[in-house]
Amino acid sequence: AQSVTQPDIHITVSEGASLELRCNYSYGATPYLFWYVQSPGQGLQLLLKYFSGDTLVQGIKGFEAEFKRSQSSFNLRKPSVHWSDAAEYFCAGGYQKVTFGTGTKLQVIP
Amino acid sequence: DSGVTQTPKHLITATGQRVTLRCSPRSGDLSVYWYQQSLDQGLQFLIQYYNGEERAKGNILERFSAQQFPDLHSELNLSSLELGDSALYFCASSVGEAGELFFGEGSRLTVL
Repeated sequence: AQSVTQPDIHITVSEGASLELRCNYSYGATPYLFWYVQSPGQGLQLLLKYFSGDTLVQGIKGFEAEFKRSQSSFNLRKPSVHWSDAAEYFCAGGYQKVTFGTGTKLQVIP
Repeated sequence: DSGVTQTPKHLITATGQRVTLRCSPRSGDLSVYWYQQSLDQGLQFLIQYYNGEERAKGNILERFSAQQFPDLHSELNLSSLELGDSALYFCASSVGEAGELFFGEGSRLTVL
């Protein structure tokens, strides 16, 4: 089945440390891929997207993601995490039927 | 503010009842998507409409139905409600038939 998988349910990082959230996809062809962030009680906000072209994509809030076809991955990275980055992060993929991973909750400790 | 408006924000009702959730997409967006978010199921795709026509369907229950009107707003109708239907229902919109989705803040449904 076409899907995305986020293997980490919960991640804790120290403020100022680097961050990498993992996402693996399972699609026949290269899908549209997205990363969204959801703060408690809020809707989902798009961080970045990949449709084609340059495999390193830049997003908002200092986030970036790299599409690696050989590893079927689309991991999200940030070089230095801020306390305000604490939220739940969702990887998503697909064309019209965009499916979401189960999410990774990020905790940031001082 | 994504520009997608959902009403009501909160809704409490009883089992067996019927409710309607409403979504106004961003100005200029032709596609509307509905998602259900619950603790045990995560974010589940329900259905997509593009310019009034159904384009993609997920695991939407037969008790649920949706439509997109000529002014592009959409409604999700949930009937014969069960306790398990309690969830956050999100609407999202996009410019075309696919692409980045812009989400509303959701309608929280509680079925007692």
